[in-house]
Amino acid sequence: SAVISQKPSRDICQRGTSLTIQCQVDSQVTMMFWYRQQPGQSLTLIATANQGSEATYESGFVIDKFPISRPNLTFSTLTVSNMSPEDSSIYLCSVVEKGIHYGYTFGSGTRLTVV
Amino acid sequence: QQPVQSPQAVILREGEDAVINCSSSKALYSVHWYRQKHGEAPVFLMILLKGGEQKGHEKISASFNEKKQQSSLYLTASQLSYSGTYFCGTAKAAGNKLTFGGGTRVLVKP
Repeated sequence: SAVISQKPSRDICQRGTSLTIQCQVDSQVTMMFWYRQQPGQSLTLIATANQGSEATYESGFVIDKFPISRPNLTFSTLTVSNMSPEDSSIYLCSVVEKGIHYGYTFGSGTRLTVV
Repeated sequence: QQPVQSPQAVILREGEDAVINCSSSKALYSVHWYRQKHGEAPVFLMILLKGGEQKGHEKISASFNEKKQQSSLYLTASQLSYSGTYFCGTAKAAGNKLTFGGGTRVLVKP
């Protein structure tokens, strides 16, 4: 399965600032997903990042707040903009390789604390 | 719409069995099961496609009832390493986004 390098692993940020999270995959993947996980909660999909086109955002998430880049088939970034304490969470990227029998692989996550 | 998982939590003694259920109100293409240990990323266990198949991973198996849009995960002869939070994820098409259930916390005690 694909191996994902996600950076940073954690950060503490001041409110009003922005943080960019990077995900690098060791193989080419068509679909990349960005999830948010509040402590002790389930995973909520933020957006689907497709190479060569704009990301598709889920209800409740907007591009101005969570801009996403997908310059090629192995890399994506998620920016959390104008942060507030409510943005404190774990952010995970996920990929699925070609083939319907493959599961989704997750990055190790970015633990964000906004103070 | 988020699939519904039950129970929310279960405590087992080593060697005991447990069943975790996942129900969806919408037609599904596939159901995925993941296990997440504290402070770690979710790890893929298995995928079940529509057709009512059953799969296994070590002593963990699962089934998918397409008619009922329900999947069950069976933990057999549980081991300490089975502790963690189990999530089902559902997809409406191949390679499509996953929608996760609320999770089931499993604690296996010696």
